[in-house]
Amino acid sequence: GENVGLHLPTLSVQEGDNSIINCAYSNSASDYFIWYKQESGKGPQFIIDIRSNMDKRQGQRVTVLLNKTVKHLSLQIAATQPGDSAVYFCAETGNYGQNFVFGPGTRLSVLP
Amino acid sequence: DTGVSQDPRHKITKRGQNVTFRCDPISEHNRLYWYRQTLGQGPEFLTYFQNEAQLEKSRLLSDRFSAERPKGSFSTLEIQRTEQGDSAMYLCASIFHSPHTDTQYFGPGTRLTVL
Repeated sequence: GENVGLHLPTLSVQEGDNSIINCAYSNSASDYFIWYKQESGKGPQFIIDIRSNMDKRQGQRVTVLLNKTVKHLSLQIAATQPGDSAVYFCAETGNYGQNFVFGPGTRLSVLP
Repeated sequence: DTGVSQDPRHKITKRGQNVTFRCDPISEHNRLYWYRQTLGQGPEFLTYFQNEAQLEKSRLLSDRFSAERPKGSFSTLEIQRTEQGDSAMYLCASIFHSPHTDTQYFGPGTRLTVL
């Protein structure tokens, strides 16, 4: 929605550089993890997901890494573009997708 | 456009009034979720439906809130006797739940302002 991420931590990167956004999740029983992108005035948009039986998954320009030992999730964006500027949320769920818990979010700002 | 629509997009109401929001999910999706999002926060789960059955409700969902999905298609979220603390973005999401995917598709949200 409007003013999404008003007080969120911000990651600023130069256009063309790689971005890494991190997330610590809370529930060791979670077995499915998702990254979302949210632009102002819009709902969250699915980027990439990963199940707990994997530690890495790649999409187009994006890679998600999962470290279950320390309950850490990261999103890597290659060759960051101005259109990548948004707030990024990680989400976790267990129990067959009944309750999705979202992290606090990180604002990505791409500098020209 | 994800295919999930919400109506209205914006609602301004006075404290104490009732409001109702509607969500139309992607037609073949069997699960529908409601979330609330406040400024600077991630979406918070409120409730979800599997077809027409409401299977889980968050403790955030006070007795002033009620949600329905009468025919397993569209859903409504009603807030009675609104309070200023109810001001937020209300998001709806739907999925076709299977063992292989739980990808949620979100609607654009309804922004509620309680004066």
